[in-house]
Amino acid sequence: AQKVTQAQTEISVVEKEDVTLDCVYETRDTTYYLFWYKQPPSGELVFLIRRNSFDEQNEISGRYSWNFQKSTSSFNFTITASQVVDSAVYFCALSEAWGATNKLIFGTGTLLAVQP
Amino acid sequence: SQTIHQWPATLVQPVGSPLSLECTVEGTSNPNLYWYRQAAGRGLQLLFYSVGIGQISSEVPQNLSASRPQDRQFILSSKKLLLSDSGFYLCAWSKTGTYEQYFGPGTRLTVT
Repeated sequence: AQKVTQAQTEISVVEKEDVTLDCVYETRDTTYYLFWYKQPPSGELVFLIRRNSFDEQNEISGRYSWNFQKSTSSFNFTITASQVVDSAVYFCALSEAWGATNKLIFGTGTLLAVQP
Repeated sequence: SQTIHQWPATLVQPVGSPLSLECTVEGTSNPNLYWYRQAAGRGLQLLFYSVGIGQISSEVPQNLSASRPQDRQFILSSKKLLLSDSGFYLCAWSKTGTYEQYFGPGTRLTVT
């Protein structure tokens, strides 16, 4: 069965601190995709990144970086020098290609509060 | 560029009343379309998805239904709302053959 676990329900940091959001997944497939989404207070989910199971290279985009480790089934997300605008709920998700479409399995999300 | 619209943004409906939420996508053709519900407590639950006009797959048996009358239009309906239908409803789309989904702004439904 597919499952995504985000054990951190809420994290509070002070601006400029680095913060890592954890994501652990379970799947039986050898080919799968991992995602991170951001949900600001407005409610819309914003796509941040997709990572393929066969590509374990870490990715950096500005202050954001992602660490994918198949050995531990983890796909962690780090924000460097956090800012108040980073305050949001962050979701990790897993997709296994299924027929003509895909279904996303979401974790329960981590609420990040960045204090000024 | 592609955009996705949802309306209404907010809705308050009494128990037993009907429901119709609409989602439209612009700037792409033959998208895969999805309806999710996010109840209090944050979890996102996939309700329906569609790979083409008139093709609807249901993930969770309930008193909701979905329809896709046009290529880029996805409608979520109910004949009689329950209190448990309250939540934040999100529509999403993806390109066939790709895996990331793009979400609309959502509809916040309160059933009283």
